Amino acid sequence: QKEVEQNSGPLSVPEGAIASLNCTYSDRGSQSFFWYRQYSGKSPELIMSIYSNGDKEDGRFTAQLNKASQYVSLLIRDSQPSDSATYLCAVNKGSARQLTFGSGTQLTVLP
Amino acid sequence: DAGITQSPRHKVTETGTPVTLRCHQTENHRYMYWYRQDPGHGLRLIHYSYGVKDTDKGEVSDGYSVSRSKTEDFLLTLESATSSQTSVYFCAISQQGADTEAFFGQGTRLTVV
Repeated sequence: QKEVEQNSGPLSVPEGAIASLNCTYSDRGSQSFFWYRQYSGKSPELIMSIYSNGDKEDGRFTAQLNKASQYVSLLIRDSQPSDSATYLCAVNKGSARQLTFGSGTQLTVLP
Repeated sequence: DAGITQSPRHKVTETGTPVTLRCHQTENHRYMYWYRQDPGHGLRLIHYSYGVKDTDKGEVSDGYSVSRSKTEDFLLTLESATSSQTSVYFCAISQQGADTEAFFGQGTRLTVV
């Protein structure tokens, strides 16, 4: 079992729709959770972090964390073509805060 | 943008040669990391550093070594490059303290022929 798993996609949604990205993790001791966006040929860019159970909203983005189910999700409301990218789920573990990444979900928002 | 600079940005090298990639930060962050990214594998941790001269291995450390003689610089060396080390390499930094995020450099595309 991979430590961090994401729905592999690719995922396509029409412009203006809600995109839902999911991630599960195996280490119950994980404390911090992150979503990165990566455009093709570019470096990962942090878009959301979440540390406690529940929802965290930032603009059109909402991160959801359920530690009991070991589940993290990212909702993108009013999706735009500029949201088309690969979304990486990352979990913080270890004393040096090393990140373990899922393999990413490629999202395409269709105009 | 976090002050992270990777050099070189692109490199082609021959099998068996040593290669050194440099990560330079201007943020005075304690933690520095080297990841590689390959299709189907996502980002995988190679080595990390938690202070000057303090380093440790990550998930895929075989064939790589690192050094950190100053807070701002973290070097990744491929001791004898192989074709399996063709990849995109990313450096990341993180502050000391709980619940802190990591920020990435622009990446180095390395091709071993």
